[in-house]
Amino acid sequence: EVQLLESGGALVQPGGSLRLSCAASGFRFSEHAMSWVRRGPGKGLEWVAGISGGGLNIYYADSVTGRFTISRDNSRDTVYLQMTGLRADDTAVYHCAKSRLSVVRAKSGSRLNWFDPWGQGTLVTVSS
Amino acid sequence: QSMLTQPPSASETPGQSVTISCSGSYSNIGSNAVNWYQQHVPGTAPKVLIYSDNQRPSGVPDRFSGSKSDTSASLAISGLQSEDEADYSCAAWDDSLSAWVFGGGTKLTVL
Repeated sequence: EVQLLESGGALVQPGGSLRLSCAASGFRFSEHAMSWVRRGPGKGLEWVAGISGGGLNIYYADSVTGRFTISRDNSRDTVYLQMTGLRADDTAVYHCAKSRLSVVRAKSGSRLNWFDPWGQGTLVTVSS
Repeated sequence: QSMLTQPPSASETPGQSVTISCSGSYSNIGSNAVNWYQQHVPGTAPKVLIYSDNQRPSGVPDRFSGSKSDTSASLAISGLQSEDEADYSCAAWDDSLSAWVFGGGTKLTVL
């Protein structure tokens, strides 16, 4: 069974830093891209960042570029999200999600991509 | 502000049908497949409901169907049941942004 377990969420002050982790099991981790997706209070889902299976291709949402860093350790089957310069509007439940393909983008050749499954999420609250 | 536009809410009685729209642009829906996700309660894991515009994963009832035309997509749910009450979000890759974009989500209430 494929499982994704996020951890690292906490209450942090504005301007602070936090590192989230997502431990994966039940599939060949290095063969799949991974993403972080968040939902803030009263808001819709927002894709934050994605990393390819090998870790070479990385993409970010404009809202977090320069502040967040996604990385992965394929020897530990874990993906990370290092967050710095946190702001109140970063408050959200952060989910990690497995891509069907090894690429982050929509497709590879004729093969299409989607997120499945998702983890239950970890709560990040940015407040003084 | 979401890149894909969905109505914030929808409601219908059990047994009836409902359609949720998702509007985008050429760089996202117009160029790439649309996926739909269902989330019952904030803080729980979303799940894929429809992938590649109109494909259902195994285990998803055929009451759920997806379609796409030009830069818009739709999710149709027939024979509504109480357990269908959830938040539904569309998503597509945006070629201009090199990013996944989501709709703002539609909260479906089964009256």
